[in-house]
Amino acid sequence: GAGVSQSPSNKVTEKGKDVELRCDPISGHTALYWYRQSLGQGLEFLIYFQGNSAPDKSGLPSDRFSAERTGGSVSTLTIQRTQQEDSAVYLCASSPRAQGNTGELFFGEGSRLTVL
Amino acid sequence: QKEVEQDPGPLSVPEGAIVSLNCTYSNSAFQYFMWYRQYSRKGPELLMYTYSSGNKEDGRFTAQVDKSSKYISLFIRDSQPSDSATYLCAMSGSSASKIIFGSGTRLSIRP
Repeated sequence: GAGVSQSPSNKVTEKGKDVELRCDPISGHTALYWYRQSLGQGLEFLIYFQGNSAPDKSGLPSDRFSAERTGGSVSTLTIQRTQQEDSAVYLCASSPRAQGNTGELFFGEGSRLTVL
Repeated sequence: QKEVEQDPGPLSVPEGAIVSLNCTYSNSAFQYFMWYRQYSRKGPELLMYTYSSGNKEDGRFTAQVDKSSKYISLFIRDSQPSDSATYLCAMSGSSASKIIFGSGTRLSIRP
């Protein structure tokens, strides 16, 4: 597709369950980011992938959160043993730049996670 | 203290007014400064970016960066109802592994 695609768009789960969120970046984009946006809040950085380099995981809030990027393309964010405070919109973005430092992030529409 | 501070608003102004949005930051390593616009239930879209200090103009939008004060601004001239959205500042350093966002300012332009 032409843009960043995220799935599912909405996910309701019970506390304690695991969830997987998927991101298909724009073809050819080397950088991929995950952010979390809680209601009325800004974007909280979670993790950044750049090519074959080791990902920057410094924003992951706990060891219940993990992410992988297969073949330099699709990425999956996994949240284990979900808690109610994990409820948020999870946004994925990709960038065509080698270092991503021009700020040209292209965002998907997000996966809205609700933990009951 | 957050690395990037932004007044969440909401800010409501009449159509045609000049809007001023601002962010302050604490990390002197930041060199790239951006403004994103986010409509409700959509992902943010890049509006403007600048490198280091100075001004950049694009149509009705002007971005200013003052690195000595660690302060950035976005001005919107002749504001339109279609400008109603949340505006997020963002910035990164030369290593550029992370782009840090402000909390966003919700703007409403009254017809």
